[in-house]
Amino acid sequence: GAGVSQSPSNKVTEKGKDVELRCDPISGHTALYWYRQSLGQGLEFLIYFQGNSAPDKSGLPSDRFSAERTGGSVSTLTIQRTQQEDSAVYLCASSLDPSGRANIQYFGAGTRLSVL
Amino acid sequence: AQKITQTQPGMFVQEKEAVTLDCTYDTSDPSYGLFWYKQPSSGEMIFLIYQGSYDQQNATEGRYSLNFQKARKSANLVISASQLGDSAMYFCAMRGGYGNNRLAFGKGNQVVVIP
Repeated sequence: GAGVSQSPSNKVTEKGKDVELRCDPISGHTALYWYRQSLGQGLEFLIYFQGNSAPDKSGLPSDRFSAERTGGSVSTLTIQRTQQEDSAVYLCASSLDPSGRANIQYFGAGTRLSVL
Repeated sequence: AQKITQTQPGMFVQEKEAVTLDCTYDTSDPSYGLFWYKQPSSGEMIFLIYQGSYDQQNATEGRYSLNFQKARKSANLVISASQLGDSAMYFCAMRGGYGNNRLAFGKGNQVVVIP
C-alpha cells in the first residue's frame, strides 16, 4: 500500500524481554516520527528522524528505548527490558518535507504492545 | 512548550447534524501549525485539516472546517452533515515554530454519530 506500514500490529511480551517495532514510511518521505499513545499519558512524541541529520531523541522516556533508521527509509524502535508501563500503542508517522509550510504527518495504524 | 486542551466530554451527534469540537492551545512561538486528526476504532490516525498561524482565512476540507480565532488561541473543528462513519476520537495537535517538527496532541474528543 501507499501508506505508512507498521509491524507487528500487536505484540505481547513478558516483562524483561526486548522488543522491536518496525515502521515503513511512505515512499519519498524524508522525515519519520515515533509517538506513543497510552491511556494515562495520551499521545507523546518519542523521536524524529530527518534525512541524514542526527535524530531528535528528546522524547525517549528512558535509555531502554532506542531507534534507528536505515538507509533513510525503514525505522526500528527497540525497547529493552520491557516494563509493564511500556504497554501502549506505538505510532509511526512520516512527512514529505519538514521545511514545507504544513509538514503534514501521516500515521500508520500502530503497534499495540502489551507487556505481561 | 506547546500545550493543547480539549475538555469536552464524549458527544452524541444526530446523523446529518453539525458538530463543533473545541480546541484551545498555548504557545510562545509566533509561527505554528494546527492540525486535526481522526482516530476511528481501527486505531489509525487520519489527517483531516491544517491551519497555519499566519493564514488569513479559516481552513476548509470538504465537510471539515476550522474556526480559527488566533487572539483567543482556539482552533475548533466543525464537522458538517455528520455521517455514521464520523464516529471516532478526534485529536487537535500543534506543531511549534521553525525547526520544531514534533506534534503536541490534546487528549481528544470522542464523537458518536447516531442514526
